[in-house]
Amino acid sequence: SQTIHQWPATLVQPVGSPLSLECTVEGTSNPNLYWYRQAAGRGLQLLFYSVGIGQISSEVPQNLSASRPQDRQFILSSKKLLLSDSGFYLCAWSKTASYEQYFGPGTRLTVT
Amino acid sequence: AQKVTQAQTEISVVEKEDVTLDCVYETRDTTYYLFWYKQPPSGELVFLIRRNSFDEQNEISGRYSWNFQKSTSSFNFTITASQVVDSAVYFCALSERKGGGNKLTFGTGTQLKVEL
Repeated sequence: SQTIHQWPATLVQPVGSPLSLECTVEGTSNPNLYWYRQAAGRGLQLLFYSVGIGQISSEVPQNLSASRPQDRQFILSSKKLLLSDSGFYLCAWSKTASYEQYFGPGTRLTVT
Repeated sequence: AQKVTQAQTEISVVEKEDVTLDCVYETRDTTYYLFWYKQPPSGELVFLIRRNSFDEQNEISGRYSWNFQKSTSSFNFTITASQVVDSAVYFCALSERKGGGNKLTFGTGTQLKVEL
């Protein structure tokens, strides 16, 4: 069966510091991968998605970037965090020809 | 542009009551998929159901049932005999094919509180 991992689970970072959140999927190959952010108001915003290694599509221009160095690894990064980057970050995967997305446990980021 | 509206921000019910969560969507696509996800306090989104635009049959799974009406662009979710464990935020979502992957447009969610 497939499993999706995210780490860290929680993170407190000062403004201006760098960020690296990691997501890995087990039990499948060539998944589509997604990064979402959930702000305090509960809405989910798609940040990035990837259909293959090195292929990243950005949904919203912002202070973040994503990379996919390996088939089942998806990384969310920032060079300098802003207060507005605080939120709950969720990684998700789907099969290439499928529509259901399956979510990881999330990372709660607080920028102070 | 795609849009999903969940007008109910928060619903409180007493255990064993039935409760319906509303979802209205907008899309120009002729083929699309609708979803419901549950987000318990732990935060992880749990997939509940997928419905495609060609299938308007209602679906029942235990205490859960879904009513898809294309004529009114609605995909409502009913929990029968609610339980405290049903307390969570529930999201409705609409799928859009985009660049080989798919994008899910989420509603803002409905917070369901089930009390004893």
